[in-house]
Formats: sequence, C-alpha cells, structure tokens
Amino acid sequence: GAVVSQHPSRVICKSGTSVKIECRSLDFQATTMFWYRQFPKKSLMLMATSNEGSKATYEQGVEKDKFLINHASLTLSTLTVTSAHPEDSSFYICSAVPGVLSSYEQYFGPGTRLTVT
Amino acid sequence: AQSVSQHNHHVILSEAASLELGCNYSYGGTVNLFWYVQYPGQHLQLLLKYFSGDPLVKGIKGFEAEFIKSKFSFNLRKPSVQWSDTAEYFCAVTPNMGRRALTFGSGTRLQVQP
Repeated sequence: GAVVSQHPSRVICKSGTSVKIECRSLDFQATTMFWYRQFPKKSLMLMATSNEGSKATYEQGVEKDKFLINHASLTLSTLTVTSAHPEDSSFYICSAVPGVLSSYEQYFGPGTRLTVT
Repeated sequence: AQSVSQHNHHVILSEAASLELGCNYSYGGTVNLFWYVQYPGQHLQLLLKYFSGDPLVKGIKGFEAEFIKSKFSFNLRKPSVQWSDTAEYFCAVTPNMGRRALTFGSGTRLQVQP
C-alpha cells in the first residue's frame, strides 16, 4: 500500500526558533498534500493544502508567514514553523493524495509531535 | 462548507459486545465518506470508505458502515468488539469533486474492557 513518512517523529525546540517537518510519499507521486494539526483529545484540523509547484492554500485563521509550506517535488512537502512559541506545541500530521485523477483517498503520515519550551 | 458530527465522545464496552458509532455530516452535494482509526501512539489508518454504489461497506478487522443518504449518516458497526479495538475512531467526509481535504468529526474514544 501507499506509504507516507514524516520526519522527525518528535522534536523539542526552544521558543523563538524554527522547526522544519518533512512529509514524503515513499512509493507514489503526490500532486497534493495536506497538513493537519491535532490538539490533545481533539480532532484533526486542516491547516493548509500544499500543491506541487504552486503556493499553498491556507485555511482561515492559519498564519501563512508562521507556517511556511513548500511542496518542492511530487514526493516531498515541508512545513516550517517559524519563531515557534509554546502554543504551537501540537501534533502535526500530513497526508498525500496520489496523482491519479480519480483518486480521493488520502494516505496519512505518522505525525510529528512538536514541543516548544 | 461541510461538517461532521460524532455523537459519542467516549464509549466503554466489554469484549464481545456489539458496537455502533454514530456519524452525521452536513453538506449540500455528493460526498465521499471515511472512517479512520488511531490506535494509541500510532498514526491514522483507514478502516473503510464509501464513494458510491452499495451503501453498506465492509472494511478491515470486521468493521462495516452504512451510508443512509436521507439521514446524512454513516454509522460504523462491528458485531463483536475485541480488546484490541481500543482506539480513537474518526469519521471524515470530503466533497466528491477534485482533491479536497478531509473534514473530520471530533472523534470517539472506544475503550474495550477484557
């Protein structure tokens, strides 16, 4: 089956620093990737849609200058949390959609636990 | 915009009991429906999905769900749960047009007691 990886799985950083999270589709090409955020005991909330070769589309309330998304290739999207603060601590999950036009299925990465101290 | 409601936030069952988790969605057009499971410490896994056709869909690990269009519902069922089914269950929906992000319900935490 389709596999999506995320790196790192856990990261602890100091307030004010930036952190980059990678999302890779390992055995398929993904023209679209999504970034979600999951708060403790809460559901997943969509942050942004990442399209290869174009700017990401952010959901209302998500600061695009704070959460930088780059979809540089058909197998890689990165999320950079800039000037991180403790309130950015969360579980970040990406998903990837195969490039087949008829596919609606998303494949999820294992998530990245970010802790900002 | 679409929305998803999961009515049961926390369900506790004994092994061998039957399970039904409710899911209702709100959207004016055609949708694709999904149930995902998240075991403790693990990532989301697809249990089953509905795109079109037979409204009763069967998924992995003995789970099934029924799409009732008139009720905007997609309830998840399993006749006999096991301790290993302890997990968080999420219902999700996406419009049946283009590659759209999933809208998730709030999740139901299932705890199965041995």
